[in-house]
Amino acid sequence: EIVMTQSPATLSVSPGERVTLSCRATQTIYSNLAWYQQRPGQAPRLLMFSASTRASGIPARFSGSGSGTEFTLTISGLQSEDFAIYYCQHYNNWPYTFGQGTKLEIK
Amino acid sequence: QVQLVQSGAEVKKPGASVKVSCKASGYTFTNYYIHWVRQAPGQGLECIGMSNPSSGDTMYTQNFQGRVTLTRDTSTSTAYMELRSLRSDDTAVYFCARGQGFGYNYYFDYWGQGTTVAVSS
Repeated sequence: EIVMTQSPATLSVSPGERVTLSCRATQTIYSNLAWYQQRPGQAPRLLMFSASTRASGIPARFSGSGSGTEFTLTISGLQSEDFAIYYCQHYNNWPYTFGQGTKLEIK
Repeated sequence: QVQLVQSGAEVKKPGASVKVSCKASGYTFTNYYIHWVRQAPGQGLECIGMSNPSSGDTMYTQNFQGRVTLTRDTSTSTAYMELRSLRSDDTAVYFCARGQGFGYNYYFDYWGQGTTVAVSS
């Protein structure tokens, strides 16, 4: 089973800032990586797939990069609605696994 | 628009079973896999399994193998997850999600609203 590790666990930032979230896989997953945003009490929402492709309706301030084992999600110009938990997930082979999440909180 | 609507919250006793439904609309049900994910209180996301609504084929993660069954009813575009021999650590929110992709590489583009299952004596 591939283990996904996200860092940091928590990030305290101010609105308007730029942040980068990291996700690492224990073996290559090529570009078979998705990012999800989860707000309190809600289901996760797809942000990115294929490591760097924004899902439908996702603002351009979200960008993803990486391949192989190292991936990043960058959010430019943080807005109030972006403070949430972000999960990466590989879907390279079964079983799919998620990282433990990075919580973005307001500084 | 694509929607996945799940059944309501459940309270079960240890050892019982629970069956959660996920009704799909807005797309052709048999064209997309349905995945099931759970989230324990304050915890992260964990895959349970996936089902092919067209063929009925299923795959489960090792943690749930032997204790979970995924089924579907194509006449009502509804997928089901049954979890047996419930324990207190099965207390969680259970989500269904539509798989988008090809081969065995699916990300989850639409999610149900979640079903809370509480296991308590």
